[in-house]
Formats: sequence, C-alpha cells, structure tokens
Amino acid sequence: EVQLVESGGGLVQPGGSLRLSCAASGFALSNHWMHWVRQVPEKGLVWVSRINTDGSSTSYADSVRGRYTISRDNAKNTLYLQMNSLSAEDTAVYYCARDGGFCSATSCRREGYYSDYWGQGTLVTVSP
Amino acid sequence: DIQMTQSPSSVSASVGDRVTITCRASQDIHIYVAWYQQKPGKAPNLLIYTTSSLKGGVPSRFSGSRSGTNFSLTISSLQPEDYATYYCQQTDSFPLTFGGGTKVEI
Repeated sequence: EVQLVESGGGLVQPGGSLRLSCAASGFALSNHWMHWVRQVPEKGLVWVSRINTDGSSTSYADSVRGRYTISRDNAKNTLYLQMNSLSAEDTAVYYCARDGGFCSATSCRREGYYSDYWGQGTLVTVSP
Repeated sequence: DIQMTQSPSSVSASVGDRVTITCRASQDIHIYVAWYQQKPGKAPNLLIYTTSSLKGGVPSRFSGSRSGTNFSLTISSLQPEDYATYYCQQTDSFPLTFGGGTKVEI
C-alpha cells in the first residue's frame, strides 16, 4: 500500500526556517517525481515545488523560489522541503504528493504531471 | 502561468442528481487535466487524470471530458459520499495550477 507521511510542521516565527519531511512506503521513491502542494485552511490548493527522480532537476512556484529547497534521499525513501525566510503568507497545510508518472533507470512514462497519492499533510503556522 | 477558471464555486444538489463542474484553461493544455476530490480535514484524492482516465477504484459515475480548453467533471448520479470539494488541475506545464474549487453540498 502506498503511503506518504509528512512531518516537521509546527509553529515558527516570521523570518524563521523549518524543514518538512515526507516518508514514503509501499513503493520505490526512486521511480517517481515528487511534489509539494500547500493549502491555507479553508482555501484552495497551491502547487509549491517538484523534483525529479534523482534530484537533479527542480521547479518552484514564484512565491517560494529562492526561499524553499526541495530535495530527496532515495536510499531513505524520504522527500524534504527546506523552508527559509518564512512569513505569515506561508502558513498552510503542506502536502507531499507522488507524481503519477513512472521512471525506470533509462526513461520516464507519463501522461502529465498529476499527483496520484497524497500524504495527510502537516500544518505550518508562521506567527510571532 | 496557466490560469484554471473553475465554475461554479458551489453547487447544491440532491442524491441521484447529475452534477457537472467545469474548468477553463487560459491556454492550450492538450488533454492534461486532473480532477481531485477533497473532504473536510482530509488530503485531496485523485479521481481523473488526462481529461478522462479514471484512477483505479474510482466509481464509474465519475467521468471527465474536454472541449478545446474547457474541461468538465460529471457525477452521473450523486451519492451521499460525494459531498466534497472538487478541484481541477492543469498538469501540462510548470508551475502546475489548480482551479479555485467547487463545493458540492446539499
């Protein structure tokens, strides 16, 4: 069974940093791109970042570029999101999500960049 | 960035009703739209990808279609467990973007 479990959320002061983790099980993390998506409570979903299978390629939303860093450790089956220079606007539930494409050692098979499995989310609150 | 304009923002419907939700993309995204269902306090759950492909285990009363840059999610006969918020997402290019959501309620 595919499972994604986020951790590392909590209360942080403006200007502070936090590192989120996403532990994957039930599949080989190395075969999938991964995403982070956030959601302000009672509001909509916002895509934050993505990383390819070996971590050599990343993308970010404009709102977090330069402050957030996505990374992964395939040996530990874990995805990370390092968040720096946090502000109140970063307060949200952060979800990690598995990309629906499948990558072998030589190529990827995909039909768009949809997210087929999601973690339960971890709440980040930025407040004095 | 590609904008996804989702409508309506909310819809009131009864069990057995046919419900259709629409998303309009601001540019050509081919067939690359996904639909998610989210219940309160829970993570989103993928229903449909590439316009009309159902994720395994998703009931067949859910279906997706496309006309140009307009995409639709249809629930053919609303069930009690379908009351939730639904989001479209363009999965064509980065940054990925979501529609604003549609709350399906009684």
